[in-house]
Amino acid sequence: GIQVEQSPPDLILQEGANSTLRCNFSDSVNNLQWFHQNPWGQLINLFYIPSGTKQNGRLSATTVATERYSLLYISSSQTTDSGVYFCAGGNNDMRFGAGTRLTVKP
Amino acid sequence: DTAVSQTPKYLVTQMGNDKSIKCEQNLGHDTMYWYKQDSKKFLKIMFSYNNKELIINETVPNRFSPKSPDKAHLNLHINSLELGDSAVYFCASSLYLTVTEAFFGQGTRLTVV
Repeated sequence: GIQVEQSPPDLILQEGANSTLRCNFSDSVNNLQWFHQNPWGQLINLFYIPSGTKQNGRLSATTVATERYSLLYISSSQTTDSGVYFCAGGNNDMRFGAGTRLTVKP
Repeated sequence: DTAVSQTPKYLVTQMGNDKSIKCEQNLGHDTMYWYKQDSKKFLKIMFSYNNKELIINETVPNRFSPKSPDKAHLNLHINSLELGDSAVYFCASSLYLTVTEAFFGQGTRLTVV
């Protein structure tokens, strides 16, 4: 099956800082999503982005399908951005990366 | 009007018991999934169903049996529970099997004592 690699595994930021999270896939995928798992364990959909660029407020994502990677940008981070960020993708299924644990300090 | 709902949210049970987790989606989606999240937060697909038909069975022990009475429901039954089954189980759904966004339930935290 498809392997999904996320980096960095852990990230600590000061409030207001920007960050970039990366997701690499071992093969081409037809669907690709970014999720935020908040401290209460909920998986929140951030972006469905099999290709191209999308923006939603302080968050944006870019997927370069031909090179099998996706990037999640967080600008002006806030303490509420803390949690684990997952990318997931596949073809007839959806495989998850191990996640990036983000801690934003006030 | 929760899109994907799971019950119960918490489940504490003894080793050897049999338990079920229910999942329902009101999005009109064709495909539903079960994922297991372990203590290190890794999310692993267990099963997927498309229109009540099993598509993926990801080397899950036979003690785990999914049941889909209709395309809006995918329940997970677990026999002879073991300590290692303790985890958070997530149900999800997507419109089609491919190329569509998936939505997750709130998770069921199963603790086997």
